[in-house]
Amino acid sequence: DVKVTQSSRYLVKRTGEKVFLECVQDMDHENMFWYRQDPGLGLRLIYFSYDVKMKEKGDIPEGYSVSREKKERFSLILESASTNQTSMYLCASSPLSTGELFFGEGSRLTVL
Amino acid sequence: GEDVEQSLFLSVREGDSSVINCTYTDSSSTYLYWYKQEPGAGLQLLTYIFSNMDMKQDQRLTVLLNKKDKHLSLRIADTQTGDSAIYFCAELRDSGNTPLVFGKGTRLSVIA
Repeated sequence: DVKVTQSSRYLVKRTGEKVFLECVQDMDHENMFWYRQDPGLGLRLIYFSYDVKMKEKGDIPEGYSVSREKKERFSLILESASTNQTSMYLCASSPLSTGELFFGEGSRLTVL
Repeated sequence: GEDVEQSLFLSVREGDSSVINCTYTDSSSTYLYWYKQEPGAGLQLLTYIFSNMDMKQDQRLTVLLNKKDKHLSLRIADTQTGDSAIYFCAELRDSGNTPLVFGKGTRLSVIA
């Protein structure tokens, strides 16, 4: 059974803290993605990666960075969390050249 | 515009059919997808249709594609309370490694 695992389901952080959201997939997929989901705004793509050590900006990369040191792991980093980054964060992976995404359960981040 | 458009809400009675509509943007889109998100969970692929097809049926689900109008619909027959979820339409533009473009999602509420 395919699996995308996000390290934390719920996090509460303070403004200015550095936040790491981890995502691991066990399907040997080349592509990995980070989205945020907000009511009324749907899914918005933050960053994606097509290969180890590669990254591409999505639609809303400001305030975020990513790391992909290993094929199975894609990390989202908030260098200095702000209250407007309170959101649900979804990680996904997909095989090369296909649109079928496999999603994790999501990480709900609250920044106080 | 560049957006994939969906209505935000739909309410139906249990046992009725639900029809969720989507308008996409790119006539060269190769695949179109429907994803389902249950409360507190990530998205799961529900079904998809290749752009050279007009219709696809899978048990209670029927997908209709009108390429001329760039219109996609998802029909759920005999809607059940377990079908209550957010349904996302997504298009794969061009071919190869471009991220899916999602609509904002339609929240389906099933009334018993």
